[in-house]
Amino acid sequence: DAKTTQPNSMESNEEEPVHLPCNHSTISGTDYIHWYRQLPSQGPEYVIHGLTSNVNNRMASLAIAEDRKSSTLILHRATLRDAAVYYCILREVVRTGTYKYIFGTGTRLKVLA
Amino acid sequence: EAGVTQFPSHSVIEKGQTVTLRCDPISGHDNLYWYRRVMGKEIKFLLHFVKESKQDESGMPNNRFLAERTGGTYSTLKVQPAELEDSGVYFCASSLLGLASEQYFGPGTRLTVT
Repeated sequence: DAKTTQPNSMESNEEEPVHLPCNHSTISGTDYIHWYRQLPSQGPEYVIHGLTSNVNNRMASLAIAEDRKSSTLILHRATLRDAAVYYCILREVVRTGTYKYIFGTGTRLKVLA
Repeated sequence: EAGVTQFPSHSVIEKGQTVTLRCDPISGHDNLYWYRRVMGKEIKFLLHFVKESKQDESGMPNNRFLAERTGGTYSTLKVQPAELEDSGVYFCASSLLGLASEQYFGPGTRLTVT
């Protein structure tokens, strides 16, 4: 299984941008990069995903390196509600039509008021 | 629309006992996944159903774990007999069929084996 590496924790000030890095040097060509976050006492929730190109949605942006061996989740203006554990995940193809998520250890983001 | 629900939220059992965890996916979601996080480790994939069929059970740790999804609706994960190392949080997720369909996770069941 391919693996992802993330810093254990990061801090950010409220209203400032946050860049959460992830290394996935063993990624294969068919693996999608997904980001989920987990708030206290909840299950992980979807944030964003991409394959090769940078992606934007209402929650965040995902910047993917040209060689796809790393990616960065960007929260444009952190709020206190963004404090969570952020998981960088590779979605691997098991066989056509069947996939599984390979979770990283996650980055605990602390947002300071 | 109701999200993924799991029952119970917390279970404490003794080593050697049996426990059954239940997951109700979002209505209409044919994909159903089980994951778990044991102490200090990352969340790991256990298995994947499409409707009632097991598509991938490569993550199941051993034959003490049995997952079922009769009728393709809710799923159960039974641990028999439970061991101390089975303690952790068990998550269920569901998704629509599709290339890059996001998974919706339940809140998890915290299993403590004493």
